[in-house]
Amino acid sequence: DTAVSQTPKYLVTQMGNDKSIKCEQNLGHDTMYWYKQDSKKFLKIMFSYNNKELIINETVPNRFSPKSPDKAHLNLHINSLELGDSAVYFCASSLLRGGADEQYFGPGTRLTVT
Amino acid sequence: AQSVTQPDIHITVSEGASLELRCNYSYGATPYLFWYVQSPGQGLQLLLKYFSGDTLVQGIKGFEAEFKRSQSSFNLRKPSVHWSDAAEYFCAVGPTTSGTYKYIFGTGTRLKVLA
Repeated sequence: DTAVSQTPKYLVTQMGNDKSIKCEQNLGHDTMYWYKQDSKKFLKIMFSYNNKELIINETVPNRFSPKSPDKAHLNLHINSLELGDSAVYFCASSLLRGGADEQYFGPGTRLTVT
Repeated sequence: AQSVTQPDIHITVSEGASLELRCNYSYGATPYLFWYVQSPGQGLQLLLKYFSGDTLVQGIKGFEAEFKRSQSSFNLRKPSVHWSDAAEYFCAVGPTTSGTYKYIFGTGTRLKVLA
C-alpha cells in the first residue's frame, strides 16, 4: 500500500501551459507539504496545509496555487509554466504540524518545461 | 533562524569501509533532527530521528547518528557501507512548536560507493 502517492510521475509540457500535480496520503496525517527539488537536489518548501488550512506559504510565484479538498489530498496547480519551473516536486505528509514527527514523502513528479 | 549545514557535497567510500556524514545545525534550543536518504529517482525515506533522550540514535539499514549539543552536530555513521547505500543523504531540522512549522533541510551529501 502506497503511503503518499503522486500523479503523474513525469510531466513534460511547453511554456505557457497550465498543469496540475495531485497528491494523496492514506496515513491519516493532518499535515501535507509541497517541496520543489532543483537540479542540485536542494529541497525548498513551497506550501503546507494542516487540516485543509494553509499554514506555510513560502515566497513562490502566484502562478503556483495549492488546493486541499480534504486532509488526505493536496494538489498543486501551476499556471503559465516557465522554463525555471522544471524540477522534481515532492509531496509529503506528517502526523502533526510541529514537533518530532517525521515526514513521509511521495515518489516525486519530474516536471520538464520545454 | 534555524539552519542546517552539510559540509560535504560528495563523499566516496569503498564498499565495506566505514562512513560518517556530517551535519551541523543552528538553533537556540534542542532541535528535532532527522536524517533522510534519497535513492535515485525516489522520494526521501527516513533513516532516523532524534528529539530527546539517548544522544546515540539507531536507525534503519544499519545507520546510527550521534547528537552532540556542544558541537551543534548530528553526524550520521555506518560501520560498513554496502553498494546499495549509494544515494543522496539529507539532514533536516524539524519545526518548533512555536515556530513556522517548516522543516529545514541541508543541501545533501551524495554518497558514491566503490566496489
